[in-house]
Amino acid sequence: SAVISQKPSRDICQRGTSLTIQCQVDSQVTMMFWYRQQPGQSLTLIATANQGSEATYESGFVIDKFPISRPNLTFSTLTVSNMSPEDSSIYLCSAGTGNYGYTFGSGTRLTVV
Amino acid sequence: AQSVTQLGSHVSVSEGALVLLRCNYSSSVPPYLFWYVQYPNQGLQLLLKYTSAATLVKGINGFEAEFKKSETSFHLTKPSAHMSDAAEYFCAVIGGGATNKLIFGTGTLLAVQP
Repeated sequence: SAVISQKPSRDICQRGTSLTIQCQVDSQVTMMFWYRQQPGQSLTLIATANQGSEATYESGFVIDKFPISRPNLTFSTLTVSNMSPEDSSIYLCSAGTGNYGYTFGSGTRLTVV
Repeated sequence: AQSVTQLGSHVSVSEGALVLLRCNYSSSVPPYLFWYVQYPNQGLQLLLKYTSAATLVKGINGFEAEFKKSETSFHLTKPSAHMSDAAEYFCAVIGGGATNKLIFGTGTLLAVQP
C-alpha cells in the first residue's frame, strides 16, 4: 500500500493567518482525500482532491476556507485560510485506490491562538 | 447512502480477555468495510478490510472481523487483549458514488486494564 508523508506534523498559528499542509504519496494513486478530526471525535471528510480539477467539497466545507490543490497523482495540499481557534484540529491526508482501503498520513496537529 | 454505526464509545477489558468492538453498517449494495486503529498522537492504520471475498477477515495484530449480512454487522474481535491494543478503533465503509470516499463511524476507545 501507498506510504504518505504529511507535513508539517504540527503547528501553532495566529488567528487570521493561513497554513498550507502538504501530502506526498510514494506512488501514483487514483484517490486523495482530506479529513478533519476535532479533539476526541471521529474523522470528517473535508473534500476529495481531484487531479487537474477543482476539489469536491462535502457539505459544510467551502473552497474559500479550505482551498485544495492536486497537481499530479502523488501530491496534494490543503490550505486552512483565515484561521480561528475553531479550526484547531488534526488534519489528515488519505490516499489509495478505493476498494482496497486507504492509507493515511500521520496528521497535522493545528492549534490556532 | 452508506453509513456505519459503532456501538459503545468506550470499551474496557482486562489484559488477556476477549476484545469485541461492534460495528453495524447501512448499505443498499454490498459494502466494502474497514477497521482502522489510531494510537495516541498518530495517524490511522488499516487493521483489516472486507471486499466481498471471505466473510471472516483476518487482520494485523491478531484482530479479525466477520461480515454478517443477515445482521448487517462487521464486529471486530481479538481473543486475548494486550496492553498495546489500547487505542481508538474506527469502522468505515466506502460511501459510494463516484468518489469512493470513506465514511467513518464515531469510534470506540479501547482501554486495557492490567
